[in-house]
Amino acid sequence: QKEVEQDPGPLSVPEGAIVSLNCTYSNSAFQYFMWYRQYSRKGPELLMYTYSSGNKEDGRFTAQVDKSSKYISLFIRDSQPSDSATYLCAMTPGGGNKLTFGTGTQLKVEL
Amino acid sequence: GAVVSQHPSRVICKSGTSVKIECRSLDFQATTMFWYRQFPKQSLMLMATSNEGSKATYEQGVEKDKFLINHASLTLSTLTVTSAHPEDSSFYICSARGGGVGQETQYFGPGTRLLVL
Repeated sequence: QKEVEQDPGPLSVPEGAIVSLNCTYSNSAFQYFMWYRQYSRKGPELLMYTYSSGNKEDGRFTAQVDKSSKYISLFIRDSQPSDSATYLCAMTPGGGNKLTFGTGTQLKVEL
Repeated sequence: GAVVSQHPSRVICKSGTSVKIECRSLDFQATTMFWYRQFPKQSLMLMATSNEGSKATYEQGVEKDKFLINHASLTLSTLTVTSAHPEDSSFYICSARGGGVGQETQYFGPGTRLLVL
């Protein structure tokens, strides 16, 4: 079993839809959680960064962390074609440890 | 947000030659830099972690003599692929992390596409 599980998709939604992306993990030591967006042939871009459990909102993006369930989510409201990309979750216990990534979910937002 | 650059963005070389890729943090000091490799439609694979002024720590299965990493300053790390072969063709991405408590976020460069003929 992988430390971080993420559905690879592809996930196809119509423009304007609310998108829900999720990751589950097994390591209870993870404290810091990130979501990255990666366009084809580009490096990952940091979208959201949260510490421990709770919600964080930034524009159309909301990140949720439920440590009790070992489950994190990224919601995208009013999705746009420009949101079409691969979304990677990443997490770490902190203290300078390396990030553990999910496999990424490919999202396509169609007109 | 923090900016990380990589150079070159794309390189084509002949088998047996060496290729150097530079990674720079432009607006912050990166105490730690990471090098990843990514194959098409796959996630990032960590190759090595480097701290400024010390030797890099390589992940299991990564040949340190083939992938030479130098982290000479707080803003620059280089990856040299020595005696490159076609199987080394891949997308190489660096990331950088600042120091300080709670500074766990990594900021990624745009990547370097290497094609070895």
